[in-house]
Amino acid sequence: QSALTQPASVSGSPGQSITISCTGTSSDVGGYNYVSWYQQYPGKAPKLMIFEVTNRPSGVPDRFSGSKSGNTASLTISGLQVEDEADYYCSSYGTTSPWVFGGGTKVAVL
Amino acid sequence: EVQLLESGGGLVQPGGSLRLSCVASGFTFSNYAMSWVRQAPGKGLEWVSALTGSGGTAYYADSVKGRFTISRDTSKTTLSLQMNSLRAEDTAVYYCAKGAHYFPYYFDYWGPGTLVTVSS
Repeated sequence: QSALTQPASVSGSPGQSITISCTGTSSDVGGYNYVSWYQQYPGKAPKLMIFEVTNRPSGVPDRFSGSKSGNTASLTISGLQVEDEADYYCSSYGTTSPWVFGGGTKVAVL
Repeated sequence: EVQLLESGGGLVQPGGSLRLSCVASGFTFSNYAMSWVRQAPGKGLEWVSALTGSGGTAYYADSVKGRFTISRDTSKTTLSLQMNSLRAEDTAVYYCAKGAHYFPYYFDYWGPGTLVTVSS
């Protein structure tokens, strides 16, 4: 069982917005602003999409955004595109285990 | 351009040992934390071990503590993971990941990974 809880799958049509939740505890997500999100295509390495809850690395489209409320962080993809179909993982620094990941969410573009 | 390239994966019997390496380039290796993250077939990501910049402090997941050892050679810009007493549940793709700072709050670059299979 993963330390952070994510929905197994989320789907949407092109152009729609979707949100992926990531629930932890006050010892990780709720206690630190070190939530990050990673995109992974099948057979490929993860790619950093969001760091420190809300920040996008250079080159990541601005349709990707992050937020946090209490012990739950969220990744929103606005204006969903076909190339956004991938697995997404949240991660947080924490005190129980220094680095924890969510179980991953498969995003399907219908 | 930051590049990370892992090597050393392969098939090993339960109880055996393997040493993974990750050659880094494109950044000042000693200034950044480095980590290993693994992914079992069809499963999610699992953090394994991390080393702060300049190799100051090592961290291990409970699942590998006492069996795995992380190290870095700054002169060769290489991160290593010595894996002993391997178990079937250690079977996974092992990724080398660069921390964004001296302390790895998150990982900004990842290598393509190397597959470790533990089986008799």
